[in-house]
Amino acid sequence: GESVGLHLPTLSVQEGDNSIINCAYSNSASDYFIWYKQESGKGPQFIIDIRSNMDKRQGQRVTVLLNKTVKHLSLQIAATQPGDSAVYFCASKDEFYFGTGTSLTVIP
Amino acid sequence: DTAVSQTPKYLVTQMGNDKSIKCEQNLGHDTMYWYKQDSKKFLKIMFSYNNKELIINETVPNRFSPKSPDKAHLNLHINSLELGDSAVYFCASSQTIAYEQYFGPGTRLTVT
Repeated sequence: GESVGLHLPTLSVQEGDNSIINCAYSNSASDYFIWYKQESGKGPQFIIDIRSNMDKRQGQRVTVLLNKTVKHLSLQIAATQPGDSAVYFCASKDEFYFGTGTSLTVIP
Repeated sequence: DTAVSQTPKYLVTQMGNDKSIKCEQNLGHDTMYWYKQDSKKFLKIMFSYNNKELIINETVPNRFSPKSPDKAHLNLHINSLELGDSAVYFCASSQTIAYEQYFGPGTRLTVT
């Protein structure tokens, strides 16, 4: 069936480096996407969203890129900090599929 | 102020028992959800209510029954608990269906 899912279950980056977390979706009609961050022992929290009429959206140290041609979106975190260590989920408005997420570990 | 709250935070019970988890949101949202997250962090939607009406009912055993007494509350009752029900259950709410969701802190259910 239709799904949204992340590419890599784990990602380790050095503190200060940039992180890129990828996500693919299957429903070409999806028009709204959200990234969530889940810290250990907590519920997921909204980070940033993007609508399909945009290719890029920037927040504070985070950027989401949307490539509708290949049905792919990515979350870029600039100057990754230890506090960024968490599980990251992408989700679309049309599907409530979160999957396993990508677990980001920041190495001091 | 807590936006989405769940009780209890931890629940340890034996197989075969019946238990309930409560959820309340004070955000004035119309839509509420229940999710299950397993030990591998796999997060899966179970149910969604919009204005007290069930709108999403994923493939979940009928031992699980949600109940929404009003827009601000969505409770989850589980009958005849099984070992495989052990997980963290998250409640969430959103202004409208599928948009930015606010998650509660989770209820860790352990069935022994």
